[in-house]
Amino acid sequence: GAVVSQHPSWVICKSGTSVKIECRSLDFQATTMFWYRQFPKQSLMLMATSNEGSKATYEQGVEKDKFLINHASLTLSTLTVTSAHPEDSSFYICSARESSAGQLYGYTFGSGTRLTVV
Amino acid sequence: GNSVTQMEGPVTLSEEAFLTINCTYTATGYPSLFWYVQYPGEGLQLLLKATKADDKGSNKGFEATYRKETTSFHLEKGSVQVSDSAVYFCALRALYNQGGKLIFGQGTELSVKP
Repeated sequence: GAVVSQHPSWVICKSGTSVKIECRSLDFQATTMFWYRQFPKQSLMLMATSNEGSKATYEQGVEKDKFLINHASLTLSTLTVTSAHPEDSSFYICSARESSAGQLYGYTFGSGTRLTVV
Repeated sequence: GNSVTQMEGPVTLSEEAFLTINCTYTATGYPSLFWYVQYPGEGLQLLLKATKADDKGSNKGFEATYRKETTSFHLEKGSVQVSDSAVYFCALRALYNQGGKLIFGQGTELSVKP
């Protein structure tokens, strides 16, 4: 079945530094990728939607300058948390979707990245 | 707008007990509905789905039926196991012309005791 690889699984960084999280679709072409943030014991909050080759669409309240999303190819999207601060500590999950000609196919989720900013 | 509401957790059951996790939704049109499961420290795994009214999704002993009249998609399992302990998310997929986003409920934590 479809597999999405998310890397790293966990990362600890110092306050003020930037962290990049990668999300790769291994056996399908992901025309759209989604980035979520999850706080402990809470639901997934959609941060942004990225389509290959175009700018990401951010949800209301998400700082696009802090959370940079790049979707340069059909198999790779990256989320960069810039100038990270302790309040950015969270669990980040990506999801990849294949779609074609107005039809939506399944969503496949990465295994998540635990970011801790110290 | 589109939204999903799940029963609050945590839900604690003994092994072999019957499980129901309620899920209701509001949506424009007729979205597809999903149940996802999240084990500690992991991403989400699709458990089951239904794409139209009266469809029943099933997997690993779990079932859910798409009820248009009550806008519900309740998750059930006849006999839970300790290994079913996880967080369960109900979700709907917005229509393609609405961006096709997945919209999640708040999640329900299930704990099954031996």
